[in-house]
Amino acid sequence: DIQMTQSPSSLSASVGDRVSITCRASQSISSHLSWYQQKPGKAPKLLIYAASSLQSGVPSGFSGSGSGTDFTLTISSLQPEDFATYYCQQSYTTPWTFGQGTKVEIK
Amino acid sequence: VQLVESGGGLVQPGRSLRLSCVASGFIFDDYAMHWVRQAPGKGLEWVSSISWNSGSIDYADSVKGRFTISRDNAKNSLYLQMNSLRAEDTALYYCGKEGIRTTGTVYYYYMDVWGKGTTVTVSS
Repeated sequence: DIQMTQSPSSLSASVGDRVSITCRASQSISSHLSWYQQKPGKAPKLLIYAASSLQSGVPSGFSGSGSGTDFTLTISSLQPEDFATYYCQQSYTTPWTFGQGTKVEIK
Repeated sequence: VQLVESGGGLVQPGRSLRLSCVASGFIFDDYAMHWVRQAPGKGLEWVSSISWNSGSIDYADSVKGRFTISRDNAKNSLYLQMNSLRAEDTALYYCGKEGIRTTGTVYYYYMDVWGKGTTVTVSS
């Protein structure tokens, strides 16, 4: 199975900060990577697919980059509604696997 | 576009449970579907997937041989039959619609619609 490792596991940031979360795959997955946002008590929400394509309706402050084994989710200016847990997920092969999550908290 | 899961509950170890997911707002039989679970306080774990025509089915190793995914396109419904349940199967179970985009030569897959989930608790 492909292992997905996110870093950091958690971070504290202020409104307006630029935030980056990294995701590393245990083998090359080309650009078969998605990012999801999950708020407490809610289902995950798709933010980014194909490593860098913004899902319809997602604010442009979110962006994704990377290919192969190393990927990054960037929030250009953290908004109050962005405090949540973020997961990366590979769909290069089954079983699809998720990273362990990165919790973004208010500083 | 909506997915609504049901069928969760409290069940004893070794017993069975069947989850359902009803889809609306999109052409159900055009899309593959997935089950993903989340144990209390933990991350997301992909469980199973089924292609639009049930011709391709996959399972996580943790559930292979115990869980069976199926769908009824006439009823816009997805199912997960869970047998020989264990305490470690305790989780919130989400169904998800598979999205797909292509560059022409490469197909990218993801889950673009999620239900709110149904809770399964395995305990004596």
